[in-house]
This record gives sequence, structure tokens and C-alpha cells, in this order.
Amino acid sequence: AQRVTQPEKLLSVFKGAPVELKCNYSYSGSPELFWYVQYSRQRLQLLLRHISRESIKGFTADLNKGETSFHLKKPFAQEEDSAMYYCALSGGYNKLIFGAGTRLAVHP
Amino acid sequence: GAGVSQSPSNKVTEKGKDVELRCDPISGHTALYWYRQSLGQGLEFLIYFQGNSAPDKSGLPSDRFSAERTGGSVSTLTIQRTQQEDSAVYLCASSPPGVYYEQYFGPGTRLTVT
Repeated sequence: AQRVTQPEKLLSVFKGAPVELKCNYSYSGSPELFWYVQYSRQRLQLLLRHISRESIKGFTADLNKGETSFHLKKPFAQEEDSAMYYCALSGGYNKLIFGAGTRLAVHP
Repeated sequence: GAGVSQSPSNKVTEKGKDVELRCDPISGHTALYWYRQSLGQGLEFLIYFQGNSAPDKSGLPSDRFSAERTGGSVSTLTIQRTQQEDSAVYLCASSPPGVYYEQYFGPGTRLTVT
């Protein structure tokens, strides 16, 4: 079965601290993985895609097939990073399976 | 340009009544998705339309749920005989041709079943 697990409902850090939002997936084939973000009073939007291997707003994510993980990382959190983050898996058929989400709270 | 729009933004209905939720995708987007966002449950895929192909209804939780997309544009999600467990935010998203993962979400419809 295809599944995305985000074990933390809430991650609370101080400004300037490193951040790691965990995502584990279950999929037997070659997955495509994504992170979506929803800032307060804004719409859900794509943050990054594992294939592009780019850094967006200082965030990076590496696909680890051995550990079936796709953790989102940022070395120095900013208050404006506070948002709801969703990890998503594409197991084919042009649709996404989302995790339950992790709320990141960055305190001053 | 205009983003994905959904109406109504909020809907309160009594248990047992039918409701219709509307989604206007971005012009030119060929794919349209419906999701349900329940507290602590993340986004649950409901249904997916792609062009003129038969929709992927694999996520619909029961036969009380149905959706249609007219003229390859506007979509309506209908919930018949609503139950309290149907209370959630219903999100619609659309994506450009060939870029299914770049989904543009609407603001959602918050459905409350009393």
C-alpha cells in the first residue's frame, strides 16, 4: 500500500535553530516525492520536488530510498517558516498521496 | 491570473441533507482533484479528473459521494445524506497539462454537518 507518514504533528523550534521535518513513505516502486506548504491564511502550495534537487527558501530534502525517507531540512529556521508542511508521494496515476502534515512553529 | 476558486467558502447543513460544492479550476488546467482535509488526518484524495478520460474515483469514501466535471472545466462535488463525519474542509486543486504534481489549490469549502 502507498502511504506517507509524518510522525510529528507539531515541531517547535527557536529562530536560528536547525529544522528537520520527518517524512517516511511506503511504496514498492520508484516514488516521486514532494513537499507542500500552507502558510497562515494562504493556500496550500508546492514547496519542492525531490527530482529537482533544489533549495527553496533555504529548505532542502533528500530522498533516501534505503530508509524510505524524504526529510525536509533547513539549517537556520526563520519566523516566516512557521506553517503547515505536508509530504506527498506520487505512486503513479498522476495523483498525490499526502501525509497528515506537521505544523512548524518558529519562536523568536 | 485568477487562481482556483471554490464556493461556498462555508456550508453548514443538517444531517441527512444533500450538499453541492463547486470548484472553478485555473483556465487551461486539464487535471482537477478533490481532497478532504480533516483535523489530524491530512489531505485525503477523493477523486481526479483528467481531460476527457474517465475520472479516478478510487478515493471516494462511500457511494454518497459523487463528482462531475462539466465541459472539462467546472466541477461539482455532491454529498448525499450528509453525516457528521463528513464535516471537513474540502479542497479542490488543478494542475497544468503534463505537470500533475504542481497542483494549485483553492481556498477550500468548510463543511459542517450538525
